[in-house]
Amino acid sequence: GAVVSQHPSWVICKSGTSVKIECRSLDFQATTMFWYRQFPKQSLMLMATSNEGSKATYEQGVEKDKFLINHASLTLSTLTVTSAHPEDSSFYICSATHRRGGYTFGSGTRLTVV
Amino acid sequence: GQQVMQIPQYQHVQEGEDFTTYCNSSTTLSNIQWYKQRPGGHPVFLIQLVKSGEVKKQKRLTFQFGEAKKNSSLHITATQTTDVGTYFCAGLNNAGNMLTFGGGTRLMVKP
Repeated sequence: GAVVSQHPSWVICKSGTSVKIECRSLDFQATTMFWYRQFPKQSLMLMATSNEGSKATYEQGVEKDKFLINHASLTLSTLTVTSAHPEDSSFYICSATHRRGGYTFGSGTRLTVV
Repeated sequence: GQQVMQIPQYQHVQEGEDFTTYCNSSTTLSNIQWYKQRPGGHPVFLIQLVKSGEVKKQKRLTFQFGEAKKNSSLHITATQTTDVGTYFCAGLNNAGNMLTFGGGTRLMVKP
């Protein structure tokens, strides 16, 4: 149980394109989902906390107009990287909490902007 | 803000040797969690420690939570090549609304 499905797993796009990443909790309801960014060989950096039915809370330094988060239902949160540029290339990963403790992570999305 | 420091950053061991990674938080934690991330993969939840001084074991892995609930360690006995990966600790603050990850310890095991 407690599976989080994340799509796409890898995307390559041209500079200026907007990319949407989806995160779904498959067998539980996730009122809160978290979005992280991970650069190669580095730790996960929290970007924002996504709450169902309300605005996301962004961490300091994260542009909310650049990284649009929508959490329209208890099982789906989306992150849209708007007008992506090469410096946005990274590994984006979502997670959600569940009753048995810990955070379940999605499989991550590798974004490459060329 | 809350900071979680993890050492060492890298560790090379010979297969069969033991391995330990240490985690220290700047503030008291509600709980500490440990994750393993294989190369190219995503973090996988290993365990959560909640009580002061708690010790938990999973086969060859031993997890400890300090008495002050500010530090933790993960010890692997007799490492195997399957233990390769990056081990992250993550501390949950007392308000329960922020999970801060350590920088991770990358373990490499020579067969």
